[in-house]
Amino acid sequence: VQLVESGGGVVQPGGSLRLSCATSGITFSRSGMHWVRQAPGKGLEWVAFIRDDGSDKYYVDSVKGRFTISRDNSKNTLYLQMNSLRGEDTAVYYCAKGGGGDYDRRILDYWGQGALVTVSS
Amino acid sequence: SYVLTQPPSVSVAPGQTARITCGGNNIGDYSVHWYQQKPGQAPVLVVYDESDRPSGIPERVSGSNSGNTATLTISRVEAGDEADYYCQLWDSSTELVIFGGGTKLTVL
Repeated sequence: VQLVESGGGVVQPGGSLRLSCATSGITFSRSGMHWVRQAPGKGLEWVAFIRDDGSDKYYVDSVKGRFTISRDNSKNTLYLQMNSLRGEDTAVYYCAKGGGGDYDRRILDYWGQGALVTVSS
Repeated sequence: SYVLTQPPSVSVAPGQTARITCGGNNIGDYSVHWYQQKPGQAPVLVVYDESDRPSGIPERVSGSNSGNTATLTISRVEAGDEADYYCQLWDSSTELVIFGGGTKLTVL
């Protein structure tokens, strides 16, 4: 199993960035997927979840209306479009696979190595 | 929203037993999961559904959950167990994934 995030970097407040998570070794089209972030020196914060077919999406309140989770099952890739970025969005962003079936939303069983997003002027 | 409370740190000598708690209102009614995160690495699932272990996780790692406290227990602690540990649950009422604040386990 491999989950590889890309697209991180430095962006100014109010700017946008799109993260990608390329997967292999999993049946991506049958896997719910999550994004989780970790601010420097802080704990884990769940950000968003998308069902295997993309039909349902869930977000933490602090990113609703600004972030959009999406996926391309033909490319085995997960995305996080981040708009109107703020300083408090600075973090390492991890993609993670849901636990499968009823566990998809409840457990995060495989994680990528993360992509650092820095929001600063 | 639901809040999970963990002690910031726990210290234990090698060979002893470490217990890391995770407090929440009637947490015993939820399925609780635990993750280990070593410095500079991604989290790893070590216990799910209170006490089940993914393949590759040793039997000396176990969990329990009752009342207002879930506990991760690591027996015969080794230097390699030094890490941050996070509890997590899914709150069906809000449809949110909730993490505890994390506990740093130090092996003396």
